[in-house]
Amino acid sequence: SQTIHQWPATLVQPVGSPLSLECTVEGTSNPNLYWYRQAAGRGLQLLFYSVGIGQISSEVPQNLSASRPQDRQFILSSKKLLLSDSGFYLCAWSVERATSGRSRNTQYFGPGTRLTVL
Amino acid sequence: GESVGLHLPTLSVQEGDNSIINCAYSNSASDYFIWYKQESGKGPQFIIDIRSNMDKRQGQRVTVLLNKTVKHLSLQIAATQPGDSAVYFCAEKVVSGGYNKLIFGAGTRLAVHP
Repeated sequence: SQTIHQWPATLVQPVGSPLSLECTVEGTSNPNLYWYRQAAGRGLQLLFYSVGIGQISSEVPQNLSASRPQDRQFILSSKKLLLSDSGFYLCAWSVERATSGRSRNTQYFGPGTRLTVL
Repeated sequence: GESVGLHLPTLSVQEGDNSIINCAYSNSASDYFIWYKQESGKGPQFIIDIRSNMDKRQGQRVTVLLNKTVKHLSLQIAATQPGDSAVYFCAEKVVSGGYNKLIFGAGTRLAVHP
């Protein structure tokens, strides 16, 4: 079965410090990967998605960047955090091709990382 | 731009009653929709999906209804239980830049009272 991991679970960082959040997926190959941000009490905003190693698409201009150094690893980074970067960061995956029991349109989410920038 | 929204931000129901959560979408070309459940501090969990060639789909205690004429989606939860308390998101699939993406609504909080 497929599982998705995110770490750390919570993080408190000062303004201006760097950031690195990691997401890994197990049990599937060549997944599509996504980073979302969720502000408190709000919906999900797509930040980045990736269809393969080294292939990153950015959805909104921002202070963050993403990288995919390995097939099942997705990293969210920042060189200097802003207060507005605080939020709940979610990684998600979907299959590249429809399989038995899996639609390629459905995204499956990780447990999230709660980031507080002070 | 195209968007998915929700009619009610908060819904309070009594345990055992049926719940109905509504969602409006604006992209008439969308052909796939999903409902997610998000408990506090956790990632969204897939509940049920429906394709645009269907009007209704049933799961365990949940039913999703799709009305393409008025671009409306609803999630019905039968015999609502305390464990159903969560925020529920609808999402529609859009194609952008040749890739499939999901656009999420703002969410509805469901509060189940004993």
